[in-house]
Amino acid sequence: AQSVTQLGSHVSVSEGALVLLRCNYSSSVPPYLFWYVQYPNQGLQLLLKYTTGATLVKGINGFEAEFKKSETSFHLTKPSAHMSDAAEYFCAVSVRTGGFKTIFGAGTRLFVKA
Amino acid sequence: EAQVTQNPRYLITVTGKKLTVTCSQNMNHEYMSWYRQDPGLGLRQIYYSMNVEVTDKGDVPEGYKVSRKEKRNFPLILESPSPNQTSLYFCASTSSLTRADLTDTQYFGPGTRLTVL
Repeated sequence: AQSVTQLGSHVSVSEGALVLLRCNYSSSVPPYLFWYVQYPNQGLQLLLKYTTGATLVKGINGFEAEFKKSETSFHLTKPSAHMSDAAEYFCAVSVRTGGFKTIFGAGTRLFVKA
Repeated sequence: EAQVTQNPRYLITVTGKKLTVTCSQNMNHEYMSWYRQDPGLGLRQIYYSMNVEVTDKGDVPEGYKVSRKEKRNFPLILESPSPNQTSLYFCASTSSLTRADLTDTQYFGPGTRLTVL
């Protein structure tokens, strides 16, 4: 069965510091991996996704993630946090089961301190 | 403007009173999905639809029904709501204009906050 684990329900960084949000997945088939961001009182918005090819994926707002098959990880990073990055972040994997489903992690809330 | 709309945005109801949450997209997407979001659990898929008249269960379908009679609409029906269905609900559709696949980006509606007393 497929699953997604996000390490740390809350992460706090100072403005200008490195952002690292951790995601590990479990999948019996090659995964398609996504990071979404949710701002307060809004729906989810895609940050980036890994499908095939280059394992370092760049997304919007300066975020990037690296797919590491050997570690079954897809951690999200940003070199320098901005106050506007404060939000909740979700890692997700798409899997095929007849049709297909998307499985989300529990989410990590990012706090950015001035 | 390309968007996914949900109505109502907020709803307070009582146990057992049937309700429908509507979802509509104007992007001609084939694949649509419903999720519920609960603290500490992330989003869990309730039902999804690959196309008109094609629906399938997600991870938490109990207590919910859906229908897909036309491409743009995908309503979520709670025949007899219970307090454990109090949650934040999201509808989503994919970016594919033809056959949906695993790599597609999902576009989410703004959410419906449901409280069942």
